[in-house]
Amino acid sequence: DQQVKQNSPSLSVQEGRISILNCDYTNSMFDYFLWYKKYPAEGPTFLISISSIKDKNEDGRFTVFLNKSAKHLSLHIVPSQPGDSAVYFCAASDQLRKLIFGTGTRLQVFP
Amino acid sequence: SAVISQKPSRDICQRGTSLTIQCQVDSQVTMMFWYRQQPGQSLTLIATANQGSEATYESGFVIDKFPISRPNLTFSTLTVSNMSPEDSSIYLCSVDGIQETQYFGPGTRLLVL
Repeated sequence: DQQVKQNSPSLSVQEGRISILNCDYTNSMFDYFLWYKKYPAEGPTFLISISSIKDKNEDGRFTVFLNKSAKHLSLHIVPSQPGDSAVYFCAASDQLRKLIFGTGTRLQVFP
Repeated sequence: SAVISQKPSRDICQRGTSLTIQCQVDSQVTMMFWYRQQPGQSLTLIATANQGSEATYESGFVIDKFPISRPNLTFSTLTVSNMSPEDSSIYLCSVDGIQETQYFGPGTRLLVL
């Protein structure tokens, strides 16, 4: 059973607009959530994270929102840039520091 | 963040053979992890490797198939044994960072014929 889900396999956004990537999880024991960006032929690059005791974390153009009651988190990128085009993975961490990854969303930012 | 390298970056292997993947990090780290990303799939944790102890394997992964070494705090190896085409994947190592963050190496692309 997939504990972390990204239901949108792809997303296309115009440059300058907001990109919103969504992620749902099922295990209420997850205490930390992370977003990674992955380019082809490279390893995932850490973007931003959020602790389960918070509902928002912001870093430049990237903001992550956490809704614990809905077991839902989202990554907002604003403004979107062509260099943001990549596959984005959300991940959840348990007390053993293991990361459970979602299936990924391919973001394409077009001019 | 740590700088992580993996060798080889890619390989094509015949079924029934074994391949050892190396992971080197530029600083001492407590925990190292090995993941697999099969084509079109997400990343799946294979095992956690701590120095001085046996690796801890996740459900569905066994030591005979994926033996791991962790001789010191900057290096680890993963061996994919008796390979079959189903082992064709990207294999990634990662290390623990601040709080729950993990930093990943560039990955090893393996194709088994």
